[in-house]
Amino acid sequence: EAQVTQNPRYLITVTGKKLTVTCSQNMNHEYMSWYRQDPGLGLRQIYYSMNVEVTDKGDVPEGYKVSRKEKRNFPLILESPSPNQTSLYFCASSLSPWGAQGGYTFGSGTRLTVV
Amino acid sequence: SQQGEEDPQALSIQEGENATMNCSYKTSINNLQWYRQNSGRGLVHLILIRSNEREKHSGRLRVTLDTSKKSSSLLITASRAADTASYFCATDGGTDKLIFGTGTRLQVFP
Repeated sequence: EAQVTQNPRYLITVTGKKLTVTCSQNMNHEYMSWYRQDPGLGLRQIYYSMNVEVTDKGDVPEGYKVSRKEKRNFPLILESPSPNQTSLYFCASSLSPWGAQGGYTFGSGTRLTVV
Repeated sequence: SQQGEEDPQALSIQEGENATMNCSYKTSINNLQWYRQNSGRGLVHLILIRSNEREKHSGRLRVTLDTSKKSSSLLITASRAADTASYFCATDGGTDKLIFGTGTRLQVFP
């Protein structure tokens, strides 16, 4: 089954404790992206990747890091999480940045709480 | 900044009625897409309409696009309780990404 797999589904952590949210896709998509979703603010892009070893900042990259060492994986790293990073996070992948061929495929989301 | 803005923010209807949601955007586009999100879950791609198309159908979904007004509408006919979800439009807007609106929350009562 074609899918984007995110882990974990839920995470509660403390301020300053480094964490990684994993994302993996099995569709050989070149484009991958991370979004955060907050009430009233919609989906905002954090980082994206056009291909292996190519990453770039989205609209809200502060406090986040990513890497793309393999085509299928695109982990999101929070080096020192803060409470304002409490949010619902989504990983997405597609054949092109604009989803012109079949749109974006989203993961099920990671609900992160930083206390 | 938001490229797409959906209207209304929330919509409540009875099963069997039609639901219409609108999306307005700011810059020229190559395509516009609609997605559905069930509560707290990942978005699911519904339909894509290209800038040179005016109308597109998929099952009970009908999407229209008016590039002169920079607007699109999503019509769900004969709504079902299972259609209860948030619906988002997304546009490319000449950037290297899709930009999503803030969504319309649709509630369909049995």
